[in-house]
Amino acid sequence: DTEVTQTPKHLVMGMTNKKSLKCEQHMGHRAMYWYKQKAKKPPELMFVYSYEKLSINESVPSRFSPECPNSSLLNLHLHALQPEDSALYLCASSQFTEGRDTEAFFGQGTRLTVV
Amino acid sequence: GENVEQHPSTLSVQEGDSAVIKCTYSDSASNYFPWYKQELGKGPQLIIDIRSNVGEKKDQRIAVTLNKTAKHFSLHITETQPEDSAVYFCAASRDQGGGSYIPTFGRGTSLIVHP
Repeated sequence: DTEVTQTPKHLVMGMTNKKSLKCEQHMGHRAMYWYKQKAKKPPELMFVYSYEKLSINESVPSRFSPECPNSSLLNLHLHALQPEDSALYLCASSQFTEGRDTEAFFGQGTRLTVV
Repeated sequence: GENVEQHPSTLSVQEGDSAVIKCTYSDSASNYFPWYKQELGKGPQLIIDIRSNVGEKKDQRIAVTLNKTAKHFSLHITETQPEDSAVYFCAASRDQGGGSYIPTFGRGTSLIVHP
């Protein structure tokens, strides 16, 4: 199983709503990531979790709140978003191997529209 | 930090032709270079990667070459097929010391294969 599963696939939310994006992997990967991707642009790193602990926050606004409940799950909680936050949100995971980068597996993404 | 330049931004070929996408990177410490294919509405999919101790790697119709001295690497697709049409991203990363994988992406190449 080399899948990273993201739900929902599509989400439309108002600026006052609270919603959550979910990501799940069962490959035993201990590094998990959230990326944001705008149309015709490369993915931009938002957060990195290593062994369920937040290791990198790329100066993301606090209206995005990540959570890693266990080694297989990664959530992104959304609150008071702006229309410019509309994008494809990608989750990825990779093996955590000290001193050696390994390939990341991406999910299919959640297409988020903020109205 | 690392900077990855990717060219061309758009590449249009006839079915059966070859396609070449080129990337340059700035950080001489980068040692891992993956290529991702992203189809419309989907997440990026790793198609091939190369590490700095290797000059060339091939997988069926896809090959990647790396010139460490010149700091550039290229993706070669032979006998292109319409299903190869997608956006291709190159990326570069190096040992971050923490075991997690944080690539710097190129801006992407939109490959169009005409039947």
